[in-house]
Amino acid sequence: GQNIDQPTEMTATEGAIVQINCTYQTSGFNGLFWYQQHAGEAPTFLSYNVLDGLEEKGRFSSFLSRSKGYSYLLLKELQMKDSASYLCAVSNAGKSTFGDGTTLTVKP
Amino acid sequence: DAMVIQNPRYQVTQFGKPVTLSCSQTLNHNVMYWYQQKSSQAPKLLFHYYDKDFNNEADTPDNFQSRRPNTSFCFLDIRSPGLGDAAMYLCATSLDRSNQPQHFGDGTRLSIL
Repeated sequence: GQNIDQPTEMTATEGAIVQINCTYQTSGFNGLFWYQQHAGEAPTFLSYNVLDGLEEKGRFSSFLSRSKGYSYLLLKELQMKDSASYLCAVSNAGKSTFGDGTTLTVKP
Repeated sequence: DAMVIQNPRYQVTQFGKPVTLSCSQTLNHNVMYWYQQKSSQAPKLLFHYYDKDFNNEADTPDNFQSRRPNTSFCFLDIRSPGLGDAAMYLCATSLDRSNQPQHFGDGTRLSIL
């Protein structure tokens, strides 16, 4: 079976750093994706991890520990436009299983 | 710009009246996916095509069908929509099945009267 857990909601302040966690228990694993989804819009790709460790991409970084079934997305220098839902997705056999997403609200 | 286009953005249909949602892509990707997403929930994979090879998820209702007449186009047919089928339907593509990121269209929000 597939089980992906993320916190439902988080709030942070503009300019701060926030970490969004994702834990997974899946029958197979080929990699983990993070997507951003603004309300009423389509998800857009943020990052991808296949090996353990940290992947950095500008203000966004993503970490993976396969042995722990754990990933996090780190957002630095938060901006108001970062208010969105962040979806963790586990890839296996060419398909992705998504978590329910974490709704991040950035406050001034 | 290469992209994934879904039409229409908003679709209203009557209970039990067949409806077709369309998706086109200019990315020349081999894989096309259809997802159903309800409010505050994860996108749920309905089916996907790898080229012409159709792959149905085990829990996708028989009410949902799909066609991919060529590389660029894919359709989602809902034969007899029920109130529970009201949702956002997302089309996505990926280059192949080797862990490439998915590129999503803007979605079609389906309402059932």
